[in-house]
Amino acid sequence: DQQVKQNSPSLSVQEGRISILNCDYTNSMFDYFLWYKKYPAEGPTFLISISSIKDKNEDGRFTVFLNKSAKHLSLHIVPSQPGDSAVYFCAASYNNNDMRFGAGTRLTVKP
Amino acid sequence: DAGVIQSPRHEVTEMGQEVTLRCKPISGHNSLFWYRQTMMRGLELLIYFNNNVPIDDSGMPEDRFSAKMPNASFSTLKIQPSEPRDSAVYFCASSWGAGADTQYFGPGTRLTVL
Repeated sequence: DQQVKQNSPSLSVQEGRISILNCDYTNSMFDYFLWYKKYPAEGPTFLISISSIKDKNEDGRFTVFLNKSAKHLSLHIVPSQPGDSAVYFCAASYNNNDMRFGAGTRLTVKP
Repeated sequence: DAGVIQSPRHEVTEMGQEVTLRCKPISGHNSLFWYRQTMMRGLELLIYFNNNVPIDDSGMPEDRFSAKMPNASFSTLKIQPSEPRDSAVYFCASSWGAGADTQYFGPGTRLTVL
Protein backbone atom coordinates (compact mmCIF):
# COMPACT_ATOMS: atom_id res chain seq x y z
CA ASP A 1 0.00 0.00 0.00
CA GLN A 2 1.55 3.25 -1.16
CA GLN A 3 1.04 5.63 1.74
CA VAL A 4 3.10 8.32 0.05
CA LYS A 5 2.30 9.14 -3.56
CA GLN A 6 4.04 11.23 -6.16
CA ASN A 7 1.67 11.15 -9.09
CA SER A 8 3.90 12.97 -11.57
CA PRO A 9 6.75 10.73 -12.71
CA SER A 10 8.43 13.61 -14.50
CA LEU A 11 8.51 17.39 -14.73
CA SER A 12 10.33 19.68 -17.14
CA VAL A 13 10.89 23.40 -16.53
CA GLN A 14 12.96 26.19 -18.02
CA GLU A 15 16.01 27.48 -16.18
CA GLY A 16 15.10 30.43 -13.97
CA ARG A 17 11.45 29.43 -13.62
CA ILE A 18 9.78 27.83 -10.64
CA SER A 19 9.68 24.05 -10.20
CA ILE A 20 6.81 22.66 -8.15
CA LEU A 21 6.93 19.02 -7.11
CA ASN A 22 3.89 17.53 -5.44
CA CYS A 23 3.34 14.75 -2.95
CA ASP A 24 0.20 13.30 -1.39
CA TYR A 25 -0.10 11.00 1.59
CA THR A 26 -2.87 8.85 2.98
CA ASN A 27 -1.83 8.30 6.60
CA SER A 28 -3.00 11.20 8.76
CA MET A 29 -0.64 10.03 11.51
CA PHE A 30 2.44 11.17 9.58
CA ASP A 31 4.08 13.99 11.51
CA TYR A 32 7.35 14.57 9.72
CA PHE A 33 8.04 14.98 6.04
CA LEU A 34 11.24 15.11 4.04
CA TRP A 35 12.41 15.61 0.49
CA TYR A 36 15.40 13.74 -0.87
CA LYS A 37 17.24 14.39 -4.11
CA LYS A 38 18.88 11.69 -6.18
CA TYR A 39 21.39 11.99 -8.99
CA PRO A 40 22.05 9.05 -11.35
CA ALA A 41 24.31 6.35 -9.93
CA GLU A 42 24.21 7.93 -6.47
CA GLY A 43 22.13 7.35 -3.36
CA PRO A 44 19.43 9.84 -2.36
CA THR A 45 20.58 12.82 -0.28
CA PHE A 46 18.53 14.79 2.20
CA LEU A 47 17.27 18.13 0.90
CA ILE A 48 14.71 19.70 3.25
CA SER A 49 12.18 18.66 5.86
CA ILE A 50 9.09 19.94 7.65
CA SER A 51 7.32 19.02 10.85
CA SER A 52 3.55 18.72 10.94
CA ILE A 53 3.35 21.66 13.35
CA LYS A 54 4.47 23.94 10.53
CA ASP A 55 3.02 24.71 7.14
CA LYS A 56 6.14 26.11 5.50
CA ASN A 57 9.88 25.67 5.69
CA GLU A 58 12.35 27.57 3.57
CA ASP A 59 16.02 26.94 2.85
CA GLY A 60 17.53 29.14 0.18
CA ARG A 61 15.93 28.36 -3.17
CA PHE A 62 13.96 25.46 -1.69
CA THR A 63 10.64 25.80 0.13
CA VAL A 64 8.40 23.01 1.32
CA PHE A 65 4.71 23.65 1.94
CA LEU A 66 2.48 21.37 3.99
CA ASN A 67 -1.31 21.28 3.79
CA LYS A 68 -2.41 18.85 6.47
CA SER A 69 -6.11 19.07 5.72
CA ALA A 70 -5.46 18.05 2.12
CA LYS A 71 -2.69 15.60 3.11
CA HIS A 72 -0.51 17.29 0.55
CA LEU A 73 2.95 18.75 0.47
CA SER A 74 4.92 20.41 -2.24
CA LEU A 75 8.50 21.41 -2.91
CA HIS A 76 9.15 24.71 -4.67
CA ILE A 77 12.49 25.48 -6.28
CA VAL A 78 12.99 29.11 -7.27
CA PRO A 79 14.81 29.86 -9.46
CA SER A 80 15.39 26.46 -11.01
CA GLN A 81 18.90 25.66 -12.22
CA PRO A 82 20.16 22.93 -14.56
CA GLY A 83 22.01 21.38 -11.60
CA ASP A 84 18.66 20.78 -9.94
CA SER A 85 17.89 18.13 -12.55
CA ALA A 86 17.48 14.94 -10.52
CA VAL A 87 14.87 12.58 -9.11
CA TYR A 88 13.11 13.98 -6.06
CA PHE A 89 11.62 11.67 -3.45
CA CYS A 90 9.03 12.68 -0.92
CA ALA A 91 9.15 10.81 2.42
CA ALA A 92 7.04 10.71 5.57
CA SER A 93 7.24 9.21 9.03
CA TYR A 94 5.21 9.23 12.24
CA ASN A 95 6.04 8.90 15.89
CA ASN A 96 9.71 8.53 14.97
CA ASN A 97 9.02 5.28 13.16
CA ASP A 98 10.49 4.20 9.87
CA MET A 99 10.13 6.40 6.85
CA ARG A 100 7.95 5.79 3.79
CA PHE A 101 9.00 7.09 0.40
CA GLY A 102 7.09 8.04 -2.74
CA ALA A 103 7.96 6.73 -6.18
CA GLY A 104 9.89 9.87 -7.11
CA THR A 105 9.56 12.65 -9.69
CA ARG A 106 12.24 13.21 -12.29
CA LEU A 107 12.89 16.94 -12.68
CA THR A 108 14.60 18.24 -15.80
CA VAL A 109 15.66 21.88 -15.86
CA LYS A 110 16.41 23.05 -19.38
CA PRO A 111 19.04 25.76 -19.96
CA ASP B 1 33.98 10.23 6.75
CA ALA B 2 33.57 7.79 3.86
CA GLY B 3 29.81 7.72 4.14
CA VAL B 4 27.73 4.59 3.76
CA ILE B 5 29.63 1.97 1.77
CA GLN B 6 27.90 -0.67 -0.30
CA SER B 7 29.33 -3.56 -2.24
CA PRO B 8 29.22 -4.68 -4.91
CA ARG B 9 28.09 -1.68 -6.97
CA HIS B 10 26.83 -3.95 -9.72
CA GLU B 11 25.83 -7.59 -9.63
CA VAL B 12 24.69 -9.72 -12.54
CA THR B 13 23.62 -13.23 -11.76
CA GLU B 14 21.48 -16.03 -13.08
CA MET B 15 18.11 -17.01 -11.77
CA GLY B 16 18.36 -19.41 -8.85
CA GLN B 17 21.72 -18.18 -7.64
CA GLU B 18 22.33 -16.74 -4.18
CA VAL B 19 23.07 -13.02 -4.00
CA THR B 20 24.61 -11.24 -1.03
CA LEU B 21 24.67 -7.46 -0.79
CA ARG B 22 26.86 -5.75 1.79
CA CYS B 23 26.67 -2.50 3.67
CA LYS B 24 28.91 -0.60 6.05
CA PRO B 25 27.02 2.21 7.79
CA ILE B 26 28.47 5.50 8.95
CA SER B 27 30.37 5.01 12.17
CA GLY B 28 28.29 5.95 15.21
CA HIS B 29 24.93 5.63 13.48
CA ASN B 30 22.46 3.47 15.40
CA SER B 31 19.99 2.63 12.66
CA LEU B 32 20.44 0.90 9.34
CA PHE B 33 17.89 0.59 6.54
CA TRP B 34 17.68 -1.53 3.40
CA TYR B 35 15.62 -0.17 0.49
CA ARG B 36 14.79 -1.41 -2.97
CA GLN B 37 14.18 1.02 -5.83
CA THR B 38 12.11 0.05 -8.84
CA MET B 39 10.52 2.12 -11.56
CA MET B 40 7.02 1.13 -10.53
CA ARG B 41 7.22 1.43 -6.75
CA GLY B 42 10.00 3.89 -6.15
CA LEU B 43 11.89 3.42 -2.87
CA GLU B 44 10.51 0.57 -0.78
CA LEU B 45 11.71 -0.03 2.75
CA LEU B 46 12.64 -3.69 3.12
CA ILE B 47 13.91 -3.83 6.69
CA TYR B 48 15.51 -1.66 9.30
CA PHE B 49 17.74 -2.32 12.28
CA ASN B 50 18.20 -0.28 15.42
CA ASN B 51 21.27 -1.08 17.53
CA ASN B 52 21.82 -4.18 15.36
CA VAL B 53 18.34 -5.55 16.13
CA PRO B 54 15.77 -5.93 13.33
CA ILE B 55 12.84 -3.65 14.19
CA ASP B 56 10.59 -3.82 11.15
CA ASP B 57 10.95 -6.41 8.40
CA SER B 58 7.42 -6.13 7.07
CA GLY B 59 8.75 -4.85 3.77
CA MET B 60 10.76 -7.99 3.02
CA PRO B 61 8.96 -9.40 -0.01
CA GLU B 62 9.19 -13.09 0.85
CA ASP B 63 11.21 -15.77 2.56
CA ARG B 64 13.82 -15.68 -0.17
CA PHE B 65 15.02 -12.42 1.34
CA SER B 66 16.95 -12.27 4.60
CA ALA B 67 19.03 -9.60 6.31
CA LYS B 68 21.52 -9.68 9.13
CA MET B 69 23.46 -7.16 11.14
CA PRO B 70 26.08 -9.07 13.15
CA ASN B 71 27.68 -5.88 14.46
CA ALA B 72 27.33 -2.11 14.32
CA SER B 73 29.55 -1.75 11.28
CA PHE B 74 28.24 -4.38 8.89
CA SER B 75 25.01 -5.66 7.42
CA THR B 76 24.07 -8.07 4.64
CA LEU B 77 20.98 -8.55 2.52
CA LYS B 78 20.73 -12.00 0.99
CA ILE B 79 18.43 -13.29 -1.73
CA GLN B 80 18.26 -17.05 -2.14
CA PRO B 81 17.23 -18.15 -4.69
CA SER B 82 17.22 -15.02 -6.84
CA GLU B 83 14.58 -14.39 -9.50
CA PRO B 84 14.44 -11.96 -12.46
CA ARG B 85 11.81 -9.85 -10.67
CA ASP B 86 14.37 -9.12 -7.96
CA SER B 87 16.28 -6.96 -10.44
CA ALA B 88 16.45 -3.48 -8.95
CA VAL B 89 18.78 -1.05 -7.22
CA TYR B 90 19.21 -1.86 -3.54
CA PHE B 91 20.15 0.97 -1.19
CA CYS B 92 21.47 0.85 2.31
CA ALA B 93 21.07 3.91 4.54
CA SER B 94 22.05 4.75 8.11
CA SER B 95 21.04 7.37 10.65
CA TRP B 96 21.64 8.39 14.25
CA GLY B 97 18.16 7.27 15.21
CA ALA B 98 15.10 5.83 13.53
CA GLY B 99 12.18 7.48 11.81
CA ALA B 100 12.53 11.19 11.42
CA ASP B 101 16.30 11.39 11.65
CA THR B 102 18.00 12.21 8.38
CA GLN B 103 19.12 9.07 6.62
CA TYR B 104 22.38 8.92 4.72
CA PHE B 105 22.27 6.66 1.72
CA GLY B 106 24.95 4.56 0.13
CA PRO B 107 25.50 4.59 -3.65
CA GLY B 108 23.38 1.48 -4.13
CA THR B 109 23.89 -1.94 -5.68
CA ARG B 110 22.35 -2.50 -9.09
CA LEU B 111 21.23 -6.11 -9.23
CA THR B 112 20.35 -7.82 -12.49
CA VAL B 113 19.00 -11.35 -12.36
CA LEU B 114 18.93 -13.03 -15.76
